[in-house]
Order: sequence, then C-alpha cells, then structure tokens
Amino acid sequence: DAGVTQSPTHLIKTRGQQVTLRCSPISGHKSVSWYQQVLGQGPQFIFQYYEKEERGRGNFPDRFSARQFPNYSSELNVNALLLGDSALYLCASGVAGRSTDTQYFGPGTRLTVL
Amino acid sequence: TQLLEQSPQFLSIQEGENLTVYCNSSSVFSSLQWYRQEPGEGPVLLVTVVTGGEVKKLKRLTFQFGDARKDSSLHITAAQPGDTGLYLCAGAWGTYKYIFGTGTRLKVLA
Repeated sequence: DAGVTQSPTHLIKTRGQQVTLRCSPISGHKSVSWYQQVLGQGPQFIFQYYEKEERGRGNFPDRFSARQFPNYSSELNVNALLLGDSALYLCASGVAGRSTDTQYFGPGTRLTVL
Repeated sequence: TQLLEQSPQFLSIQEGENLTVYCNSSSVFSSLQWYRQEPGEGPVLLVTVVTGGEVKKLKRLTFQFGDARKDSSLHITAAQPGDTGLYLCAGAWGTYKYIFGTGTRLKVLA
C-alpha cells in the first residue's frame, strides 16, 4: 500500500507570494494533520482535519489555511509568504485522528522563501 | 504552552557505545511516540507507549514511559552508524493534538 504522499517535493517562492501544498493520506485514513518543521527543530502542529472539518489548530497566523476534500486528501495554503515560513512542511495521516492513534508522516515539502 | 524537552540536543558517539535520550515534560500525556527522522524526510514511527511504566523493546532500542506519563527515555545498546539521525518524541495532548519534542541529533561514528 502507498504511504502518505506530498507534492511538490521542493518549492521556491519569494516574499509576499502564496503557496499551496498537497497531501494524500494512506488509503482508509480519514484524518490529516499538517506540521511545520524549521531546520534543527521538532515539528510544530498547524492543523488537523477529519471528515473535511477542522478539528484543531496550532499557534499559527491566519495566513495559514487548509482544507480537506471528500477523498480525504488535503491542501495547506500559506498567503503573504515571509522568510520565516521557510521550512519542511509535513503531512501526517491517521485512521481517526485521535491523539492516541498512530500517525504516519509523508516525506514533506521543502519550502524556501527568498 | 505544552513543552517537551529532549536531552541531550546533540550526541556524537563511537560505534558500539550505549546511549540514552530523555524526553521530559511537566504535562501528562495519554500516549507518547518516538520517531527517527533522516535529513529531508518525514519522521518514521519507532514505537508508541501508552501505559505509565511501560517498557518496549525494538531490537537494540528500549523505550520506557514514566510512571506518571510525563517523561520517557530511549536507550540504544551497541549503537551502529545506521542509528544516526534525529530522534523525536511526541506526546499526545488533548484529544487531537501531538506535541513534539525539541529533538536529539545522534551521530554514530564507525
């Protein structure tokens, strides 16, 4: 079975631009979570979606938004990019998204903001 | 703000040595996971511990969850160069959220 997939792998943008990152969960998983990992640090929780509804949101500004589609895939959008948004963006999927469930991570999208 | 502190931050050891990585918090977690991450890749789950005092073994790796479910440790016996990577603990907090630790970067020299 395919694992969690993310696209694109790498992305270079300039300040002020907008970016959309995509994630496809493992087949049968209905929950998708997004994390931001700045170089040298642990991942920071951004959002969790389950059955197309936002279940949780981390301490990120409104420039960050996400949605989940009927097929459970998800998009993360970031507007008005800042240099500090440069990071590895990770998507994780789970069966139901409860914190006691196991979450499986994709390879990430490396975003560089110039 | 929930925090998971990992120690040490960096560790460089010779092949064959033993090591322990610690993950500490003032908060109680319903479960805790350990991951290993290679550069440019997503974290890969090693183990999930749920019960206070639980000990799990995965080949040369031993994981322990503290009795009060606030801390955990990862012990590696006879480390090998293939163990090199970033080790992350993640505590399940609330119903739908994980809090990740600050990470321990391990380098095992041949």
